[in-house]
Amino acid sequence: DTAVSQTPKYLVTQMGNDKSIKCEQNLGHDTMYWYKQDSKKFLKIMFSYNNKELIINETVPNRFSPKSPDKAHLNLHINSLELGDSAVYFCASSVLQGGEQYFGPGTRLTVT
Amino acid sequence: AQSVTQLGSHVSVSEGALVLLRCNYSSSVPPYLFWYVQYPNQGLQLLLKYTSAATLVKGINGFEAEFKKSETSFHLTKPSAHMSDAAEYFCAVSDGAQKLVFGQGTRLTINP
Repeated sequence: DTAVSQTPKYLVTQMGNDKSIKCEQNLGHDTMYWYKQDSKKFLKIMFSYNNKELIINETVPNRFSPKSPDKAHLNLHINSLELGDSAVYFCASSVLQGGEQYFGPGTRLTVT
Repeated sequence: AQSVTQLGSHVSVSEGALVLLRCNYSSSVPPYLFWYVQYPNQGLQLLLKYTSAATLVKGINGFEAEFKKSETSFHLTKPSAHMSDAAEYFCAVSDGAQKLVFGQGTRLTINP
């Protein structure tokens, strides 16, 4: 059983398009996150939700909009994709904020 | 604010040799500390965590880390490296209530 799953695993799209990445966790955790990992492996938190409520919103362009329909799901929608959005996006979850996090397998987004 | 510094973006050791990956943290409150491993094209996996119990923490795959408050360090060690240990390793710090702050990562290479 996959604890944190993401779809799709790979996403190749052109500049200007809109795309979504879905994340689901079956661990019963209350908190979920989105991270962006750049080509140098640096991990940057983008958003954090606790029980469907936005808790952390780092300095992320407005083109990125998270949505949590329930506490087991946290989706990421990206409008007007740019070349600089190319990265690996990870979803994660934890029991509590600041606690150990469980990561999904990642979605590799390539914008051409 | 909390921060993490991983000394050495790339560490190379021979198979069977000691692995030492360095992590120093900064925190205004007693920290929670974590080590994660990321194998190629995968998500992050928790290796071990320190949450104010024993200062020597044992993790999976033979890794351990020692919390040294006086040195603000949480270095990761393994007595004998195996080829399968080649991966990216991340140290992270939290105050237990907010987000995890990750270091920049250390790429471990194992030479046969």
